Amino acid sequence: DIQMTQSPSSLSASIGDRVTMTCRASQSISTHLNWYRQKPGKAPELLIHSASTLQSGVASRFSGSGSGTEFTLTISSVQLEDFAIYFCQESYSTPPITFGQGTRLDI
Amino acid sequence: EVQLLESGGGLVKPGGSLRLSCAASGFAFNSHTMAWVRQAPGKGLEWVSSISSGSSYIYYRDSVKGRFTISRDNAKRLVYLQMDSVRGEDTAVYYCARESILIRNFDSWGQGTLVTVSS
Repeated sequence: DIQMTQSPSSLSASIGDRVTMTCRASQSISTHLNWYRQKPGKAPELLIHSASTLQSGVASRFSGSGSGTEFTLTISSVQLEDFAIYFCQESYSTPPITFGQGTRLDI
Repeated sequence: EVQLLESGGGLVKPGGSLRLSCAASGFAFNSHTMAWVRQAPGKGLEWVSSISSGSSYIYYRDSVKGRFTISRDNAKRLVYLQMDSVRGEDTAVYYCARESILIRNFDSWGQGTLVTVSS
């Protein structure tokens, strides 16, 4: 099974900051990588698919990059609603489908 | 508007059974793979099971194989998760999720239903 590791596990930022977080896969997954944001008490929402494609309706301050085993999610200017937990998910293999353990973004 | 509405969660004793349901609306239900993803309290996301649009392909994570059964009724636009022989580690919020066509990600989620396994 593919293992997904996110870093850091948590980070602090202020509104307007630029933040970057990382997701690493245990083997190459090409660009089969998705990012989600989960606000407190809510269901996750898809932000980016295929490593760098913004999901329809998602704010342009979110961007993704990477291929192979290393991927990044960048928020260009953090807004209040972005203080949440971010998960990556690989979509390379047939199930099991694996998520990273999450990165918590705090104020 | 895509809507997924889970029901059926609650308190169940270890070794007991529970059936979760997910009612879908607002999209071509019989064109999408559907899945269940769970989240234990304070923990991350864990994929549980997926079922293809025509029920031909069904997958489970190892820890629930032989205990959980996923099914769907395309006419009624429902997805089910039958949970048998439940254990304490099955305690979680269970989300119903829609897989994108061609890309194995989850582009729509329900609000979740809490399953608590405790004596």
